[in-house]
Amino acid sequence: QQQVKQSPQSLIVQKGGIPIINCAYENTAFDYFPWYQQFPGKGPALLIAIRPDVSEKKEGRFTISFNKSAKQFSLHIMDSQPGDSATYFCAAISNTGKLIFGQGTTLQVKP
Amino acid sequence: GAVVSQHPSRVICKSGTSVKIECRSLDFQATTMFWYRQFPKQSLMLMATSNEGSKATYEQGVEKDKFLINHASLTLSTLTVTSAHPEDSSFYICSAREPTGGVGQPQHFGDGTRLSIL
Repeated sequence: QQQVKQSPQSLIVQKGGIPIINCAYENTAFDYFPWYQQFPGKGPALLIAIRPDVSEKKEGRFTISFNKSAKQFSLHIMDSQPGDSATYFCAAISNTGKLIFGQGTTLQVKP
Repeated sequence: GAVVSQHPSRVICKSGTSVKIECRSLDFQATTMFWYRQFPKQSLMLMATSNEGSKATYEQGVEKDKFLINHASLTLSTLTVTSAHPEDSSFYICSAREPTGGVGQPQHFGDGTRLSIL
């Protein structure tokens, strides 16, 4: 109930491609879904976030799609660049304020 | 944007030493901070929730006497790993939640502390 399942575990795309990372949750009490980007040796940085009353949110090259009925959400990175190579975590905030992280996706964008 | 500073970034010390890690919110007051542990190629594992002026709340399986947390002000929380042993070696990361809007607000993370116990 408290889990957020993330896939794929790793992803390789060519520069300019559109990597898609998927997440699913069970707990309908979750009401805030952030995505974090983490580079090696650094802490996670908040990338973009969405609330369940919105089906899509776009910030720059990053887009979240949210399907409330399916309890799924995904991150799309448009025109991906080598600098986007990092580990991406989806998350959900529980009603106690705790962040529940997905397992992470390591993205490599090849030049 | 909200900035969280964590210090030190790296610690190498002998077994049996106690190590203190500081987490500061630089441009906002944080009544709630969180401490995580991350093993290589794994996700972040919440260790405890730190509330200003009160005792920390530890997650199941985390030894409170081993990992002492103090949140004495609205901008500073500290984690002390007491009598550290090699199995405590890990990447420790703190976060602070923006104060407005209740529990459903984003957390901002520090850059982590790499702890290596010899």
